[in-house]
Amino acid sequence: GAGVSQSPSNKVTEKGKDVELRCDPISGHTALYWYRQSLGQGLEFLIYFQGNSAPDKSGLPSDRFSAERTGGSVSTLTIQRTQQEDSAVYLCASSEDWTDGYTFGSGTRLTVV
Amino acid sequence: GEDVEQSLFLSVREGDSSVINCTYTDSSSTYLYWYKQEPGAGLQLLTYIFSNMDMKQDQRLTVLLNKKDKHLSLRIADTQTGDSAIYFCAESMNSGNTPLVFGKGTRLSVIA
Repeated sequence: GAGVSQSPSNKVTEKGKDVELRCDPISGHTALYWYRQSLGQGLEFLIYFQGNSAPDKSGLPSDRFSAERTGGSVSTLTIQRTQQEDSAVYLCASSEDWTDGYTFGSGTRLTVV
Repeated sequence: GEDVEQSLFLSVREGDSSVINCTYTDSSSTYLYWYKQEPGAGLQLLTYIFSNMDMKQDQRLTVLLNKKDKHLSLRIADTQTGDSAIYFCAESMNSGNTPLVFGKGTRLSVIA
């Protein structure tokens, strides 16, 4: 595609429910990143996929968070048993060569009520 | 550990120059980036500088890097109302196999 596509753009969910956020990176980009942006907190790294290597999960805040990337393309970030502190904008980015920087999607705004 | 610091707010008058500052802690940073985020949008790459450079200019944007002091700045000449946004500084490490570390962002307000 022309850019990084994320869906849904907005998601309101009840506390305790599971949610899935989707990211469709730019075709051919081997690296895919998930970040979380909370008010006043900047961007918090969550997880990073590079080609066929094992993902870097060092930023996931708890075991309620998981992500997968199928066929080296689309990625899904899953949050189980959502909590109010999970409310944030979840940003996905992809890159072909790390020196060129990342291309970000518009994000999914998650609100847990 | 890695840490990137920025001031949170900057207000300038239309037509003036804006200077957004950033400090980072990791001396092994190889590339340093500036991103712009407009309301409701993702981050857009503005420019980047390799760590062996002191300055990079791209139209109205000038990036200055002081590697000794680990200080990066972004100067926007002739600031316009369309430049109002949040600006993020980010650093990457030698190999590129670690994700970018971002500052908290500087919110630039341009007053007409």
